[in-house]
Amino acid sequence: EDKVVQSPLSLVVHEGDTVTLNCSYEVTNFRSLLWYKQEKKAPTFLFMLTSSGIEKKSGRLSSILDKKELFSILNITATQTGDSAIYLCAVRKGSTLGRLYFGRGTQLTVWP
Amino acid sequence: EAGVTQFPSHSVIEKGQTVTLRCDPISGHDNLYWYRRVMGKEIKFLLHFVKESKQDESGMPNNRFLAERTGGTYSTLKVQPAELEDSGVYFCASSQDEGIGEKLFFGSGTQLSVL
Repeated sequence: EDKVVQSPLSLVVHEGDTVTLNCSYEVTNFRSLLWYKQEKKAPTFLFMLTSSGIEKKSGRLSSILDKKELFSILNITATQTGDSAIYLCAVRKGSTLGRLYFGRGTQLTVWP
Repeated sequence: EAGVTQFPSHSVIEKGQTVTLRCDPISGHDNLYWYRRVMGKEIKFLLHFVKESKQDESGMPNNRFLAERTGGTYSTLKVQPAELEDSGVYFCASSQDEGIGEKLFFGSGTQLSVL
């Protein structure tokens, strides 16, 4: 059975801390891994990763994929209260490209 | 550009009643998806439309759920009759191109509570 597992499920940090969110997966015919941020309502796209070892970066956020060990990490440096959200990891398979398989998400809370 | 809009934001109904959720995708997006998140679980795929055709409906839980996309624009998801386990957040997403680079844009979801 296809599986996407995120850890931790919940994380509380103070502003300025650096956090690392984890996503491991076991799926057949893997094509890509996506990260989304869900603040209040709609999940918004952060990154899509298809190749191992190539870091994607956007401001204080960065992500990398390891296709050999079947995981990805999302790093957030110098966290701010606005980073508080649920971070969702999703995997796309080659056989059903349009369909995403999600993990449960990591609830990140950043205190001032 | 208007995003994906869903209506209503929240619906509370009694077991056995019928509810219809609506999704308006981004204009010009042929692909439309329905997903659902039950409390404590991950977001799960329900079905995928390409224009007005159902491309993949393998995630639909049972025949109490009916999705339509007449004319290939907006979509509705009807639950009839609703059961307690149908409670959750129903997300709609749309995209322009299918394929490995496809980027899904999500709506804010409809929170459905069945009492």
